[in-house]
Amino acid sequence: KQEVTQIPAALSVPEGENLVLNCSFTDSAIYNLQWFRQDPGKGLTSLLLIQSSQREQTSGRLNASLDKSSGRSTLYIAASQPGDSATYLCAVFTGNNFNKFYFGSGTKLNVKP
Amino acid sequence: EPEVTQTPSHQVTQMGQEVILRCVPISNHLYFYWYRQILGQKVEFLVSFYNNEISEKSEIFDDQFSVERPDGSNFTLKIRSTKLEDSAMYFCASSETQVNEQYFGPGTRLTVT
Repeated sequence: KQEVTQIPAALSVPEGENLVLNCSFTDSAIYNLQWFRQDPGKGLTSLLLIQSSQREQTSGRLNASLDKSSGRSTLYIAASQPGDSATYLCAVFTGNNFNKFYFGSGTKLNVKP
Repeated sequence: EPEVTQTPSHQVTQMGQEVILRCVPISNHLYFYWYRQILGQKVEFLVSFYNNEISEKSEIFDDQFSVERPDGSNFTLKIRSTKLEDSAMYFCASSETQVNEQYFGPGTRLTVT
């Protein structure tokens, strides 16, 4: 069964700092990997999707990389802002028919002004 | 921008009662999903649905659960006889194709008393 782990569980940084969130998965047979943001009591907002054949994706201050063979992905946030404070989740699309989506437990980010 | 909507936002029910959670996916999407998140825990995959049938389901999705697309717009999750442990946030998601990113609704908080 696919296991997705995110490190660290929580992170507190001053505004302006660049930071890296880590995601690892045990089964490299994935279809794609998606990073989400979750604000308290809210739904999930998609940030970036990386297909299994891709190495990275960028959107604004966010850059996500994927190393499928080693079962790792990183989310890089440049010049962090207080508005970036949220929980960041990664999820992999996997399973026999690639119809199951497994989530990590998230990294709770606090960006201090 | 198109979005996934869910109703109700909060549902309180007594143990043993049936509940139906409703979702309106994005109109041109073909793949539909239900997830749940128990407070403080990971988001867990429940079921995926395509072409009017279940594509994949998790171990959580037992005989108490069912999904339906009763018309061209709604996608529902029914829990036949709710248990205390069914209390969670339930998220609906949809995607255009299997390889595209999933878009999540804001969730329905189900409280079973």
